[in-house]
Amino acid sequence: SQTIHQWPATLVQPVGSPLSLECTVEGTSNPNLYWYRQAAGRGLQLLFYSVGIGQISSEVPQNLSASRPQDRQFILSSKKLLLSDSGFYLCAWSARTSRFSYEQYFGPGTRLTVT
Amino acid sequence: GQQLNQSPQSMFIQEGEDVSMNCTSSSIFNTWLWYKQDPGEGPVLLIALYKAGELTSNGRLTAQFGITRKDSFLNISASIPSDVGIYFCAGRGSGGSNYKLTFGKGTLLTVNP
Repeated sequence: SQTIHQWPATLVQPVGSPLSLECTVEGTSNPNLYWYRQAAGRGLQLLFYSVGIGQISSEVPQNLSASRPQDRQFILSSKKLLLSDSGFYLCAWSARTSRFSYEQYFGPGTRLTVT
Repeated sequence: GQQLNQSPQSMFIQEGEDVSMNCTSSSIFNTWLWYKQDPGEGPVLLIALYKAGELTSNGRLTAQFGITRKDSFLNISASIPSDVGIYFCAGRGSGGSNYKLTFGKGTLLTVNP
């Protein structure tokens, strides 16, 4: 079966510091990968998605970036955090080629607090 | 872009009651998904619908893909305290990306024992 991991689970960082959140998927190959941000426990905002190694699509211009160095690894980064970057960050995957490729499966999330 | 209107925004019910929530769109959707998010965790996929008129159950949960393809409904029967959480609808619109979903803003469900 497939599993998705995110770490760290929680993070407190000062304004202006760098950020690196990691997501890995097990039990599947060539997944589509996604980063979402959720503010105040509601609405999911799609930040980035990737359909392959090195292929990143950005949905919202901001001071965040994403990279996919390996097939099942997705990283969210920032060089300098802003207070507005605080939130709950969720990674998700979906099957690349399947009738059910629209079904996205989420990781446990990372709670980021920028102070 | 495509938008989903999810209602109600929140619900307060007594244990044992049935619950109904819905999601509507101004454009046609080809796929409807329903997720539940427990506090502090990632959303979990409950039900996926791929055909207009489709009615699918998962335990006490039943979801329907509207005939017009512009709406979907989720019903929970005989609610229990562990049903508490945020329920999200999501979908892929006709002509939309093969990779992206549109999400509703969620329905916050509170169940009083």
